[in-house]
Amino acid sequence: AQKVTQAQTEISVVEKEDVTLDCVYETRDTTYYLFWYKQPPSGELVFLIRRNSFDEQNEISGRYSWNFQKSTSSFNFTITASQVVDSAVYFCALSEYSGGGADGLTFGKGTHLIIQP
Amino acid sequence: NAGVTQTPKFRILKIGQSMTLQCAQDMNHNYMYWYRQDPGMGLKLIYYSVGAGITDKGEVPNGYNVSRSTTEDFPLRLELAAPSQTSVYFCASRRQGRSEKLFFGSGTQLSVL
Repeated sequence: AQKVTQAQTEISVVEKEDVTLDCVYETRDTTYYLFWYKQPPSGELVFLIRRNSFDEQNEISGRYSWNFQKSTSSFNFTITASQVVDSAVYFCALSEYSGGGADGLTFGKGTHLIIQP
Repeated sequence: NAGVTQTPKFRILKIGQSMTLQCAQDMNHNYMYWYRQDPGMGLKLIYYSVGAGITDKGEVPNGYNVSRSTTEDFPLRLELAAPSQTSVYFCASRRQGRSEKLFFGSGTQLSVL
């Protein structure tokens, strides 16, 4: 069963629009960690944020904000006033504390965000 | 600190050839990982290691082998390369603890023709 679902394969918006990237996860653990990574066209993977399952406070960092809701198993990412430099593939990932299976992050398939000038 | 260093950046192999993708980190991380990224499929875990001398399979280990003789190095070996192994390969490392973020290398783009 897919543990991290990013249903939006590709999103295209015009610069300065707000955009939300969805992430839904599945886990039986009560302790787990969620991550967002950015992969710009250059290909490297850049860490954006980490959230643990006990902290449901929303987080804002400049134009970026994250909405974590345990009730809906979602960890959505919003970019306000998008810019062309935000164009990238964004990955949501899950780390389970007990992890009966393999160690490591489980990644979603990614959302390709295109910001048009 | 260089972080996680992967070599080579690009490689073309013929079917049946073998090669080793190199990965080294200078952060003294015990945990190291190999992922492959296929278009539209996210990253899938191939192998991982929790310390020198200890390795284990991830989701897609077939066709690959790893070794971990030192804390710093975690090479990935492809034996008898197949077109299905055409992918971008990422090595990553982290400190102990499942809450810790992964530090990634810049990736190796491999084509098997």
